[in-house]
Amino acid sequence: KAGVTQTPRYLIKTRGQQVTLSCSPISGHRSVSWYQQTPGQGLQFLFEYFSETQRNKGNFPGRFSGRQFSNSRSEMNVSTLELGDSALYLCASSLGAAGGDTQYFGPGTRLTVL
Amino acid sequence: SQQGEEDPQALSIQEGENATMNCSYKTSINNLQWYRQNSGRGLVHLILIRSNEREKHSGRLRVTLDTSKKSSSLLITASRAADTASYFCATDPYNFNKFYFGSGTKLNVKP
Repeated sequence: KAGVTQTPRYLIKTRGQQVTLSCSPISGHRSVSWYQQTPGQGLQFLFEYFSETQRNKGNFPGRFSGRQFSNSRSEMNVSTLELGDSALYLCASSLGAAGGDTQYFGPGTRLTVL
Repeated sequence: SQQGEEDPQALSIQEGENATMNCSYKTSINNLQWYRQNSGRGLVHLILIRSNEREKHSGRLRVTLDTSKKSSSLLITASRAADTASYFCATDPYNFNKFYFGSGTKLNVKP
């Protein structure tokens, strides 16, 4: 089976712009979770989607949003980018709900905000 | 914070030695998982241990869970240079429906 894929792998944006990141889960997986990783804050949970519904959300401002499509592919959007949004964004998929099941991670999208 | 905390933050050992990393957490959990990350890449799942289990093995990896102390340990035996990575514990707190990662232990195995 193909693993979790994320596109793009690298992205450079400027403050105020918006960005959309994409994640394709492993075939058959219904849960997709997103995480932000920075040197200062570590790995932080953004949100989880299960069968097109947002199941949980972390403590991030409303500028961070996401959605999941019927084929389980997910997108994450960040509007009005700030310098502090520079991070590695990781997507993970699992058969069942995150936490209760093994999560398989993609390689990540490294976002740099200038 | 519900996040687990790993200890030590960094560990440097010689190839062939054993490496032990500890994880402590704050609330009751459904399960705890350990992941490895190489150089800022994606995470690789190592072991999942459920709250009613005390010990699990996978190859050179041994994980223990002590729910009374709210702690877990990951032991890597006969370490290799390829084990150099950051190791994270992640908890699924009971009734929170969220997934929390610890701060990680950076392991350096010298050849």
